[in-house]
Order: sequence, then structure tokens, then C-alpha cells
Amino acid sequence: NAGVTQTPKFRILKIGQSMTLQCTQDMNHNYMYWYRQDPGMGLKLIYYSVGAGITDKGEVPNGYNVSRSTTEDFPLRLELAAPSQTSVYFCASSYWDRNYGYTFGSGTRLTVV
Amino acid sequence: TQLLEQSPQFLSIQEGENLTVYCNSSSVFSSLQWYRQEPGEGPVLLVTVVTGGEVKKLKRLTFQFGDARKDSSLHITAAQPGDTGLYLCAGNRGATNKLIFGTGTLLAVQP
Repeated sequence: NAGVTQTPKFRILKIGQSMTLQCTQDMNHNYMYWYRQDPGMGLKLIYYSVGAGITDKGEVPNGYNVSRSTTEDFPLRLELAAPSQTSVYFCASSYWDRNYGYTFGSGTRLTVV
Repeated sequence: TQLLEQSPQFLSIQEGENLTVYCNSSSVFSSLQWYRQEPGEGPVLLVTVVTGGEVKKLKRLTFQFGDARKDSSLHITAAQPGDTGLYLCAGNRGATNKLIFGTGTLLAVQP
């Protein structure tokens, strides 16, 4: 019962570097999401996907990119990292039905210095 | 724009006390969920409420969805140290099951 798996758990990036946060789920969920969590700010939606090949912007997409080539995987790409991207990133997945909640990964703590 | 406001932001109580956390919005939601998050982990779903006025109980936790589906509350009876964590409400407004999360309530229950 892996659920949603995120890697890495921690990462320090220098300003201007790029990286990919990996997310994979084994529950055959159609919907997948990327959120960032900043202290005292709750979770903000970055990007989401309703199925393979379909992605859309959330509330705070600037500086990020995603792809969804398979049902299982939803990587988040950071290009030209900035200090404002220091945050904890969570990937989640769900069924389409509003009655179903999200299953979250354990997060990636990213620091940009 | 923060659509979901939670109160209080922080709560520190003694074991055995009761407490209520509020989640308020000016927007209508098709459903509302509550999650609990522990340090270093992702949020874990506690409950989903769908119907205005709905009340759900999960052991010592009671969840209520407002009649107008704009607000919700979480009541914990006889809190225990294991209830410690960050409580998040999240509202669903659209067809794609996108959730808008509240600001969170950090609860600490002292033994």
C-alpha cells in the first residue's frame, strides 16, 4: 500500500538551479495535484491534472511546470529556482468524485539559497 | 484571496478539555473536508460533508456543515495528546474536485 510517493524528501537548491520533484501514485486515481505549503498560509494549488495528457494551472503556477504522461506519475519541474519557492511541496491524488478526499504524499521540503 | 478562514489559528489546551475549530467563508461549497496533518507528513482526510446542515461523528470528533454550505465546525470532546496536530478545512467548488484549503488551526493538547 504505497499510496502517493514523493521524492526527494529534502533538497537545497541554489538560486537559478532547476530540479524536478517526483510524484507517483498506485491507486489508479485520475486526478493529481501539486500544492505548496508555507507557514501560516495553508496549502496553495500549483497545478493539477484530471488524467494522462491533461494538465491545468492552479492558483500559483508561475515558476513551475508539470507533465502527465501516465496515470501514475505527475512530476513538478522548477526552472530557475528563486528564494520565493522555498516551501514544502505536496503531491496528492483523488478520484473525480467530490465525496472522495485526497491522498497526500509525505512532502518535499525545498530550500532555495 | 483566502476564501476559507479558520479560527483560532493556535490552540493549546489540557487533556480532557473540549474545543471547537471554525472554518468560515463567504462562498458556497459543494462539499467540505477536514484533514489533520502531523509534522513532516502530508494531511490525512478525517471527513467529508456534503449536505447543508449535515453532522458527522468520528469517535470524539463532531463535524458540522453549515446550512448554507459556507461554513463548518469541528468539535473535539475530551481532547487527548494524540489529537495534537494541524487541522485543515478544505472546500470544493468545482467539477474537477479542486480543493481550496483554509489557513489551518494548530492544536496542542498537553498531558
